[in-house]
Amino acid sequence: GAGVSQSPSNKVTEKGKDVELRCDPISGHTALYWYRQSLGQGLEFLIYFQGNSAPDKSGLPSDRFSAERTGGSVSTLTIQRTQQEDSAVYLCASSFRTGDSPLHFGNGTRLTVT
Amino acid sequence: GENVGLHLPTLSVQEGDNSIINCAYSNSASDYFIWYKQESGKGPQFIIDIRSNMDKRQGQRVTVLLNKTVKHLSLQIAATQPGDSAVYFCAENVNPGGSNYKLTFGKGTLLTVNP
Repeated sequence: GAGVSQSPSNKVTEKGKDVELRCDPISGHTALYWYRQSLGQGLEFLIYFQGNSAPDKSGLPSDRFSAERTGGSVSTLTIQRTQQEDSAVYLCASSFRTGDSPLHFGNGTRLTVT
Repeated sequence: GENVGLHLPTLSVQEGDNSIINCAYSNSASDYFIWYKQESGKGPQFIIDIRSNMDKRQGQRVTVLLNKTVKHLSLQIAATQPGDSAVYFCAENVNPGGSNYKLTFGKGTLLTVNP
């Protein structure tokens, strides 16, 4: 079956512009996560959704970052007024349930801010 | 804060040998652990998981060992193949028993398999 789908796969933007990253989770997965991975680094947690609500936004780096999820499915991560330090790979994952169910990741969106 | 770390940042093995990748964790309350494989340009791929009520779990060519006494996790890959070359991450559930959880990842170990 289809895995987690993310778009675009690559995004180059100028500093100060807004960007939207999209995630389409595996059908039936109620939990959705956003992570960020900088070059050669591990994964940094950003935000978690259970259904359409976000019980944990603790990882969002600043108020320039926001995310929403509609219909318990597709999620959008928005970065406003992008900065060069926002350059990274943004990974989305989904899981069937929380607590003891593995996350399944998409291939990410590589964001480059020039 | 609690974190997950790796002993060996790089590991080079010969094709056909067994590989062991190690991971130390510091949160004694963590109850769920996962190993992921990440190839260049791709997202992390689930390999195997283990709950804290187990000390060993086997998959196809892979075995995960959990030693809660010393807070140590390892991934053993049997008969390593060139296709196993990738970065391997361990991850732990840092909010055990909660209604939601987030995984904390280590920085990864680069496994290189020489033909």
